[in-house]
Amino acid sequence: AQSVSQHNHHVILSEAASLELGCNYSYGGTVNLFWYVQYPGQHLQLLLKYFSGDPLVKGIKGFEAEFIKSKFSFNLRKPSVQWSDTAEYFCAVNGRRNYGQNFVFGPGTRLSVLP
Amino acid sequence: GAVVSQHPSRVICKSGTSVKIECRSLDFQATTMFWYRQFPKKSLMLMATSNEGSKATYEQGVEKDKFLINHASLTLSTLTVTSAHPEDSSFYICSAREASGARETQYFGPGTRLLVL
Repeated sequence: AQSVSQHNHHVILSEAASLELGCNYSYGGTVNLFWYVQYPGQHLQLLLKYFSGDPLVKGIKGFEAEFIKSKFSFNLRKPSVQWSDTAEYFCAVNGRRNYGQNFVFGPGTRLSVLP
Repeated sequence: GAVVSQHPSRVICKSGTSVKIECRSLDFQATTMFWYRQFPKKSLMLMATSNEGSKATYEQGVEKDKFLINHASLTLSTLTVTSAHPEDSSFYICSAREASGARETQYFGPGTRLLVL
């Protein structure tokens, strides 16, 4: 069965600091990978996704993620965070052999950016 | 990205009553929609998969007679919480799947906060 883990429950950074949120998954086959963000009081929004090709994926708002197949990881990065990046971040995985089935979400990482 | 709406955004009801929540995909057709429940400071818990034209698939532990799902069209799924109790108070989120072959993405609605008194 698929599972997703996120390394940090809560990350606190100052503005302009660099960000890296860890995401690891367990699945034996080919996967589609996603990062979603949930800003306070708002709904889940897609930040970026990886299906195939270049393992370094660029998303909205300056975020990027790197798929490292050998490590089963899909870490999210941003070189310089802003106060407005304060949110909950969820990694999600969908095994391609499971087409038609649901995503598996990680537990989420809460990011707090101090002004 | 694609847009998914939910209605209502917030509902307060008395214990024992039923509440219907609508989920619509506004700019694409979704043969599959999902219903989640999100607890405070927790990740999303999948409740059921809603399939257009067929019965919903419920996750283990989710009562199908309590959480009725109807996927009436390619753009609308409804979740009805029947005989609601205070413990049903939660944040309910739907998502709709947009798929092109094996490349599929879920787009989420804004959620419905249910408070049962």
